[in-house]
Parts: sequence; C-alpha cells; structure tokens
Amino acid sequence: NAGVTQTPKFRVLKTGQSMTLLCAQDMNHEYMYWYRQDPGMGLRLIHYSVGEGTTAKGEVPDGYNVSRLKKQNFLLGLESAAPSQTSVYFCASSYWGKGYEQYFGPGTRLTVT
Amino acid sequence: GQQLNQSPQSMFIQEGEDVSMNCTSSSIFNTWLWYKQDPGEGPVLLIALYKAGELTSNGRLTAQFGITRKDSFLNISASIPSDVGIYFCAGSNFGNEKLTFGTGTRLTIIP
Repeated sequence: NAGVTQTPKFRVLKTGQSMTLLCAQDMNHEYMYWYRQDPGMGLRLIHYSVGEGTTAKGEVPDGYNVSRLKKQNFLLGLESAAPSQTSVYFCASSYWGKGYEQYFGPGTRLTVT
Repeated sequence: GQQLNQSPQSMFIQEGEDVSMNCTSSSIFNTWLWYKQDPGEGPVLLIALYKAGELTSNGRLTAQFGITRKDSFLNISASIPSDVGIYFCAGSNFGNEKLTFGTGTRLTIIP
C-alpha cells in the first residue's frame, strides 16, 4: 500500500516551459488536492477534485490546470512556467465526507529559472 | 482569502522542555486540525477537534478547540528529538471538503 505518490520529486524548468506533475493514490479516496508550500505562507490550495471527472479552483489557481480522468490520479499542469511558481507542491487525498483528514504525498520541489 | 495565523513562527527549545503554540482565525471553524510536517516529507494529521472547548490528547500532545471557535492550541510535553518539524493548524467546516491551513510553527531542538 503506497499511499499517495508524486512524480517527479525534483524538477528545474526554464521560464515559459510546460510540465505536468502526477499524483497517484491507492486508497480509493474520492477527494484529491494540490497545494503549494512557500516559506512563511503555509500550504495554499491550488485546485481540488471531489470525484473522477470533476475539478474546482482553490485559493491560488492562476497559472495552473488540473485533470482527474481516473479516480486514483490527479494531474497538475503548468502551461507556461514563471519564476513565481518556484515552490514545493504537495498532493493530498481523503475519503468522501472526511475532507479534514488528508493524506499527503512526499512533495515535488520545482524551480523555475 | 481566509487566513490562519500561527504563533510563534519558530521555536528553539532544549530536549525535555514543554512546548505551546496557538492558532487564530478571523472566522469560525467547526473542526480544527493539527498536522506535523517532518523535514522533506508531507504533513501528517496529529489531532482532530470537533467541538468547541474540546481537549484532546495523543500521547505527549494535547490540543484544545477554543470556545470562540476562532482559535486552537497545541501543547507538547517533554519534547524529544523526533518532535522537530513544522506544525500546522488547519480549519474546516461541515460539508466543506477543503481545509484552510495556518502559516506553521517551526520547532527546532537545540542539543
């Protein structure tokens, strides 16, 4: 039982490049989330999904897109990376009705130069 | 957006000391959570509080849900080296699948 996994662990992008971060969970969770963590800012919600085929905006959605084509996967895309998107990205998942009890992945450290 | 303010931002303590930290919100929550993030890892849920005034323990950790529903407190007794990390409070409301996280308190233990 791997829990929540994230790919890749590290990535360096040049400004304007695109990339996709992959999150996978094997706990059959309905809800999935993408956060970014910046020093002194805590965890801020980018986008989230309450089920396969549905997504919604969080607190800081600009510059990101997401897709949830399969229940176990949640993809985060950056179409044109900017230095302001340098951050550590965390994926999380939870059971339906228990959105407060989230299980987090190990994070992806992204640097945009 | 909604902000949860945690204090202190960082703490430097010696092993064996007790630790206290708190979290305040500009609006009420029906559920308060405390998460811990070990260096290089994702956060892990420590304690969940569901009722105003509730006091809940998990080993050496004790957390309280403030009466006003706008704050919460976490205490760690007799700190040990594995307590090092960042502690986040988070708030949630019934029927809401989202969490609002605090800014974090970084705990460092001085040898």
